[in-house]
Amino acid sequence: GQNIDQPTEMTATEGAIVQINCTYQTSGFNGLFWYQQHAGEAPTFLSYNVLDGLEEKGRFSSFLSRSKGYSYLLLKELQMKDSASYLCAVGDSNYQLIWGAGTKLIIKP
Amino acid sequence: IAGITQAPTSQILAAGRRMTLRCTQDMRHNAMYWYRQDLGLGLRLIHYSNTAGTTGKGEVPDGYSVSRANTDDFPLTLASAVPSQTSVYFCASSRIAGEYNEQFFGPGTRLTVL
Repeated sequence: GQNIDQPTEMTATEGAIVQINCTYQTSGFNGLFWYQQHAGEAPTFLSYNVLDGLEEKGRFSSFLSRSKGYSYLLLKELQMKDSASYLCAVGDSNYQLIWGAGTKLIIKP
Repeated sequence: IAGITQAPTSQILAAGRRMTLRCTQDMRHNAMYWYRQDLGLGLRLIHYSNTAGTTGKGEVPDGYSVSRANTDDFPLTLASAVPSQTSVYFCASSRIAGEYNEQFFGPGTRLTVL
């Protein structure tokens, strides 16, 4: 079957760095997406990886290893507004996105 | 309109009633999707449409139907609502179906079936 695993909840301190991991097993692979979702709101796009390696975008970076079925999202210089859920999604062989349950990130002052 | 709109924002519905959730996008995206989001579970695809005039079944299509008469609108109908359909429903769209289909989401409809 298809499966996306990510931690349910993480806590970090304002100004610190946090890494959110995602492992996947899917039928085919057509890219990995990270989305941010604030409570009560819609998911919004953060990053996309289709080749192995690190993609950096400001305070956020995303890493992919296709051979290991593994990705992480790295958030630097954490701000209170980064408190949200972070969703990992993988494009399967039909180009449909398979979604993880999300990681709720709590930022403490 | 800018992006994707959904209506209603929230709804309480008696079991057995028929309900249509509306979704409209103004980005001229070819592909559109309906998801449900339940606590502790990832977004689950209900139905999708790769282009106007075509639709397909997702992971959890039972009890739901869709139509795609034009590019902009993609309504989701619950023919006879049941309590297990209580959820938050998100409509999404992407420029194309296929590789790099970054999806843009509407604000969601919170549906409670009693």
